Amino acid sequence: AQSVTQLGSHVSVSEGALVLLRCNYSSSVPPYLFWYVQYPNQGLQLLLKYTSAATLVKGINGFEAEFKKSETSFHLTKPSAHMSDAAEYFCAVSGGTNAGKSTFGDGTTLTVKP
Amino acid sequence: GAGVSQTPSNKVTEKGKYVELRCDPISGHTALYWYRQSLGQGPEFLIYFQGTGAADDSGLPNDRFFAVRPEGSVSTLKIQRTERGDSAVYLCASSLGRRDTQYFGPGTRLTVL
Repeated sequence: AQSVTQLGSHVSVSEGALVLLRCNYSSSVPPYLFWYVQYPNQGLQLLLKYTSAATLVKGINGFEAEFKKSETSFHLTKPSAHMSDAAEYFCAVSGGTNAGKSTFGDGTTLTVKP
Repeated sequence: GAGVSQTPSNKVTEKGKYVELRCDPISGHTALYWYRQSLGQGPEFLIYFQGTGAADDSGLPNDRFFAVRPEGSVSTLKIQRTERGDSAVYLCASSLGRRDTQYFGPGTRLTVL
């Protein structure tokens, strides 16, 4: 079984400020972890993924995430927010015999204030 | 190259009607997935194909939902006797293999009146 909890359905930051979106997961097998971004009326776009290699994963658009097994977390960060980062972000987990099938969190809407 | 495409982009139907939603995966991708996204929620897994066969259909909510992928490429999600609760965005994704990155289409927004 696997599940994802995204803490905070809405996060608001000022332009240039640190972005931190929280994700905790549960998985009975070594997980693959993903962050996706969804802009209004568009499909999901993969930001980054963890597949048991380096625990610090760098993605597109300056985002990165760190896999912490002891905390069962995979938080997404970006040092300096840009207006174009405003979107909805989803954390997802898959792995083991469930590889292929992804379980998503309910999403976090990021607002960037000028 | 072309990404995952889904048709129609929007579908409005009446309660009790039958609908078909189509997904064209990226060429060469053997794995294909259907998810359903309700308002304010993350995508929910429905079914996953490896080639022509459904490898995991544990997410289909009931027997009104059915999906096929007869030639291992295009897939159709079929919903019989639609209900208002079926209203959602239906997302399709494809990947080279089941452990590879999933690429998502733009979705079909289904509204059941």
